[in-house]
Amino acid sequence: AQSVTQPDIHITVSEGASLELRCNYSYGATPYLFWYVQSPGQGLQLLLKYFSGDTLVQGIKGFEAEFKRSQSSFNLRKPSVHWSDAAEYFCAVGPFSGGYNKLIFGAGTRLAVHP
Amino acid sequence: DVKVTQSSRYLVKRTGEKVFLECVQDMDHENMFWYRQDPGLGLRLIYFSYDVKMKEKGDIPEGYSVSREKKERFSLILESASTNQTSMYLCASRKGANEQFFGPGTRLTVL
Repeated sequence: AQSVTQPDIHITVSEGASLELRCNYSYGATPYLFWYVQSPGQGLQLLLKYFSGDTLVQGIKGFEAEFKRSQSSFNLRKPSVHWSDAAEYFCAVGPFSGGYNKLIFGAGTRLAVHP
Repeated sequence: DVKVTQSSRYLVKRTGEKVFLECVQDMDHENMFWYRQDPGLGLRLIYFSYDVKMKEKGDIPEGYSVSREKKERFSLILESASTNQTSMYLCASRKGANEQFFGPGTRLTVL
């Protein structure tokens, strides 16, 4: 069955430190991969996406992610975190064929940033 | 810019009431989705629609129904609201296999 795992429920980093959020997926073929960010009380905003091609993708707000097929991973990174990055981050996989055209989301990682 | 709007940001209803949550998108997307979001559980798909008058059950459809009479509008209906339906409800739309765009969410409290 298709699934997405975000192993870290909460992460705390200091402002200016580097960040890596983990995402692992289970899927029988190369999926489409997404990272979304949700600020408190808001909807989800797309940070970046991978469909094909270069496995290192750049997104908005200085984020990047790398697709590693051998590890079934799509980890999100940022070299220097800003206080405004405090939010919840969701990895998503899909959509899938066969009549069930949906994304599957991970449970999310909540990021706190210390000044 | 794609815009997905939801009729209410906050809603308080009583147990047993019929509740309508409305979602409108302005980019002619054929696919629309309703999710609920609860702490520690991420986003769970309630229903989705891939065309007008078409609907498919998601992972947790029990207690909910939907209506899509026009392409731009997708409504979520709680026939008889219960306290365990207190949650954040997110609507999304998508064209084909591209990214999904989300509305701001409706935080529903059922007393």
